[in-house]
Amino acid sequence: AQSVTQPDIHITVSEGASLELRCNYSYGATPYLFWYVQSPGQGLQLLLKYFSGDTLVQGIKGFEAEFKRSQSSFNLRKPSVHWSDAAEYFCAVGASGTGNQFYFGTGTSLTVIP
Amino acid sequence: SAVISQKPSRDICQRGTSLTIQCQVDSQVTMMFWYRQQPGQSLTLIATANQGSEATYESGFVIDKFPISRPNLTFSTLTVSNMSPEDSSIYLCSVGPIDPRWAFFGQGTRLTVV
Repeated sequence: AQSVTQPDIHITVSEGASLELRCNYSYGATPYLFWYVQSPGQGLQLLLKYFSGDTLVQGIKGFEAEFKRSQSSFNLRKPSVHWSDAAEYFCAVGASGTGNQFYFGTGTSLTVIP
Repeated sequence: SAVISQKPSRDICQRGTSLTIQCQVDSQVTMMFWYRQQPGQSLTLIATANQGSEATYESGFVIDKFPISRPNLTFSTLTVSNMSPEDSSIYLCSVGPIDPRWAFFGQGTRLTVV
């Protein structure tokens, strides 16, 4: 069965510091992988997605993620965090075999301190 | 891309009443999905709505509690029936073809049941 694990429930970083959010997935085939951000009271905004090809994916707002098949991981990174990055981040797997269904991780809450 | 309009964006309802949430898309889409995000939780798929057929519900969700309509390829509604405080959640509409790579999410409806 498909599943997504985000081991870190909450992370606090200083503004300007680097960030890495972890995501591990379980899926029987090559997955479609996504990172979404949700600001308080808002819907989901797509940061980036991986389908195939280059395993390092660039997204919006300076985020990038790397797909590592051997580790079943798709970690999100940003070299320098801004205060506006404080939000909830969700990793998701898209399951093409079941018709566009997403499996979401439980999310990582990011706090940015000055 | 697809532009999704969800209405209402938020509502406060009395227990025992029902609320219908609308999802309007600016283009024809094959599949529409309804998700629930309970406070502090990740997103859980409620059901898949295909035009011209009955919605398919995930385990733990039933049609009597969450009736769904899909009258055409650009519109769907989700009704939360006989509400209780446990139904307080964000409800999100997702649209796309069968291929999850092209899915999009609405901004969500924040429901509070008092």
